[in-house]
Amino acid sequence: EPEVTQTPSHQVTQMGQEVILRCVPISNHLYFYWYRQILGQKVEFLVSFYNNEISEKSEIFDDQFSVERPDGSNFTLKIRSTKLEDSAMYFCASSPQSDTIYFGEGSWLTVV
Amino acid sequence: QKEVEQNSGPLSVPEGAIASLNCTYSDRGSQSFFWYRQYSGKSPELIMFIYSNGDKEDGRFTAQLNKASQYVSLLIRDSQPSDSATYLCAVNILSSGSARQLTFGSGTQLTVLP
Repeated sequence: EPEVTQTPSHQVTQMGQEVILRCVPISNHLYFYWYRQILGQKVEFLVSFYNNEISEKSEIFDDQFSVERPDGSNFTLKIRSTKLEDSAMYFCASSPQSDTIYFGEGSWLTVV
Repeated sequence: QKEVEQNSGPLSVPEGAIASLNCTYSDRGSQSFFWYRQYSGKSPELIMFIYSNGDKEDGRFTAQLNKASQYVSLLIRDSQPSDSATYLCAVNILSSGSARQLTFGSGTQLTVLP
């Protein structure tokens, strides 16, 4: 069964460093997303991406975040200057024309 | 503020019983409703989605939607210990254009006792 794959599964980074999280959405899906979940808290929407541009973003997705689809398969989330409060599980997700959203296994980011 | 509310639990049921999980949402413009299962440290796994008022059944799972009451529920029949997880209710508010996003509840922790 097709699935969303994410790398790395776990990354530890120093505060102020740049981090890139990578995702390969399910092929033939049209919509791509990043969500995050701080430990013990709700899953939160960050950004959606369609037709090679950001469709919608939340208040969390400020200027330190960016997304890119550099080729036909990868979808990346970049955090330019990480803060302690960016420590969370980051989930990439994708959906076909319908609005059923499928999540990857997540990338656990720890900022120290 | 678009909110999705769930009882955090924990909810404990004996093996073989019916587990009932409830969710309310605040935005009447909500279009689609989803139940995800999340094991500790893992990603949300889609169990069911429902768009129309009434019941939708898939195996041991039944989703129920009442838009007038802004209420959605999930019933798990013949509960198994492997069903022990946190169940997340998520609501999709169809935004302008082609964008969609899910608003999640905080989840209900279910424990099925052998």
